[in-house]
Amino acid sequence: GENVEQHPSTLSVQEGDSAVIKCTYSDSASNYFPWYKQELGKGPQLIIDIRSNVGEKKDQRIAVTLNKTAKHFSLHITETQPEDSAVYFCAGYGRSNFGNEKLTFGTGTRLTIIP
Amino acid sequence: KAGVTQTPRYLIKTRGQQVTLSCSPISGHRSVSWYQQTPGQGLQFLFEYFSETQRNKGNFPGRFSGRQFSNSRSEMNVSTLELGDSALYLCASSPGLADTEQYFGPGTRLTVT
Repeated sequence: GENVEQHPSTLSVQEGDSAVIKCTYSDSASNYFPWYKQELGKGPQLIIDIRSNVGEKKDQRIAVTLNKTAKHFSLHITETQPEDSAVYFCAGYGRSNFGNEKLTFGTGTRLTIIP
Repeated sequence: KAGVTQTPRYLIKTRGQQVTLSCSPISGHRSVSWYQQTPGQGLQFLFEYFSETQRNKGNFPGRFSGRQFSNSRSEMNVSTLELGDSALYLCASSPGLADTEQYFGPGTRLTVT
């Protein structure tokens, strides 16, 4: 089945600087890679996603890049703001051990923006 | 459009008891997935329901079960609770089966004592 690894587990950046979170996946058949933001006391919120036929996608201050050959994808947040502080999860949509497809999540990155 | 709702938000149970959690998906969404979130294991997939049928399942024991109703609302049940079942249980909905975009509810925080 799919295995997704995420780094770093914690990240602190000065307000206004950029933050980058990286993930690798194992299943070359995986075709969809979302990123979720989870704030304290809330469920994960889908913030951006990318499909395997695209190399990069941007949405205002957030961008995601995908390297299918290397099987890794990254989240880039520019001009960080205090409200960006949260836990971020990457995920890959690939085969489960039971043969069906499902989302497999990385272990999360706690991002702290320092004012 | 209202988001995914889960009830109750918090629950305290003792070992050996059973518990039922409820999820109402986004209006028009027909697929519901359940996840367990713990600090040690992260987000783990439990199962997915579509058209009242379990379509996919994760690697959890049979104590964990679920069902879906004709209005797409879903419930999950955990029997014979263990201390290790303490977790945040998240429900996510998507428009159809195997639709990749999933939208999460706020979760139910279950504490087993």
